[in-house]
Amino acid sequence: AQKVTQAQTEISVVEKEDVTLDCVYETRDTTYYLFWYKQPPSGELVFLIRRNSFDEQNEISGRYSWNFQKSTSSFNFTITASQVVDSAVYFCALSWTNMGRRALTFGSGTRLQVQP
Amino acid sequence: KAGVTQTPRYLIKTRGQQVTLSCSPISGHRSVSWYQQTPGQGLQFLFEYFSETQRNKGNFPGRFSGRQFSNSRSEMNVSTLELGDSALYLCASSIEQGARSAEQFFGPGTRLTVL
Repeated sequence: AQKVTQAQTEISVVEKEDVTLDCVYETRDTTYYLFWYKQPPSGELVFLIRRNSFDEQNEISGRYSWNFQKSTSSFNFTITASQVVDSAVYFCALSWTNMGRRALTFGSGTRLQVQP
Repeated sequence: KAGVTQTPRYLIKTRGQQVTLSCSPISGHRSVSWYQQTPGQGLQFLFEYFSETQRNKGNFPGRFSGRQFSNSRSEMNVSTLELGDSALYLCASSIEQGARSAEQFFGPGTRLTVL
């Protein structure tokens, strides 16, 4: 079974603080992909980053960075120097396939509030 | 390139009625997936269509159905609406089916309220 856990329900920070969103996943697949999506109040899910299970290299993209560790099944996401516009619900997701059938399993989301 | 579009954006129905939601994927995308988002259950996968065929289905009752047309546009239908069907229904498209890596691009959703 596939499962994604985001233990942080809500985080509140002050602008310019760094914030890390936690994600722990479970899967029996040996090949899988992990994603982070952002859902602003408008409702549309916006793709942020993707990482495959082969590559544990952590990267930085602008103010975003992620830490993927297979040993602990974690895929954490960090926003550096947060801004008010970062306020949204963030979802971690696991992509899995079974005989060509694909779906995303989402975590429950973390609501981030960035105060000015 | 235009994004995923969903119509209508808002819908109010009463229990027992049926509803049809529409999704137009990004041009060139052949896979369309539907998700239901509720405060209690979060984001849940409904089904995926590729080349007019349902390829995968989530754990939802038979009242939830869908289809995909030759131009990749998709519709989902919910019959005999229940109060618990009130949700944001999100459609997502991707280039190909079965590829774990293909990120899905989401539409703005249709917010369905059942009274």
